[in-house]
Amino acid sequence: RKEVEQDPGPFNVPEGATVAFNCTYSNSASQSFFWYRQDCRKEPKLLMSVYSSGNEDGRFTAQLNRASQYISLLIRDSKLSDSATYLCVVNETPPGRRALTFGSGTRLQVQP
Amino acid sequence: DGGITQSPKYLFRKEGQNVTLSCEQNLNHDAMYWYRQDPGQGLRLIYYSQIVNDFQKGDIAEGYSVSREKKESFPLTVTSAQKNPTAFYLCASTGRGQETQYFGPGTRLLVL
Repeated sequence: RKEVEQDPGPFNVPEGATVAFNCTYSNSASQSFFWYRQDCRKEPKLLMSVYSSGNEDGRFTAQLNRASQYISLLIRDSKLSDSATYLCVVNETPPGRRALTFGSGTRLQVQP
Repeated sequence: DGGITQSPKYLFRKEGQNVTLSCEQNLNHDAMYWYRQDPGQGLRLIYYSQIVNDFQKGDIAEGYSVSREKKESFPLTVTSAQKNPTAFYLCASTGRGQETQYFGPGTRLLVL
């Protein structure tokens, strides 16, 4: 079983739509969670951290459900520029290591 | 401008050849990381370094080597022992006490 699992998509949505991605993680001891955005053939960039109480940044809302071990990302009023791959990222922190574990990503294509 | 630079953008390797990928950061970050990304896959950790003159193997270190002689630099050598080196290589760094990783633009390695 993968440590971080995501639906690869693609999610094809029209402009203005609301779209949601989920991600599940296997290590219940995970402490920190993030969503990164990766454009085609580019490096990943931090979109937002995910806090236990849920957090919002403009059109983007992230939620964490520790009991079910999943993270979600909601995008409202989708723009063409939102088209990208969204990576779910978890800090697994084995002892002595502070590296992140990345999901394979969910691809979003927003269409005019 | 502060940031992470990687060079070259594209690199071609002949069979049996060692090649070195450069990663430099001027963010004064302590920790640096190397990841490999294959098409449709998440990022996999190759090596990481939390401090100068120290580094640790990640999940897929076989066929790779690194050095960390300076805080700013963390070069990755892809040796001839790495039988499937074609991939997108990403370098990242993190500040002390932080978890967010910042990525360089990546190097695409292709085998001739």
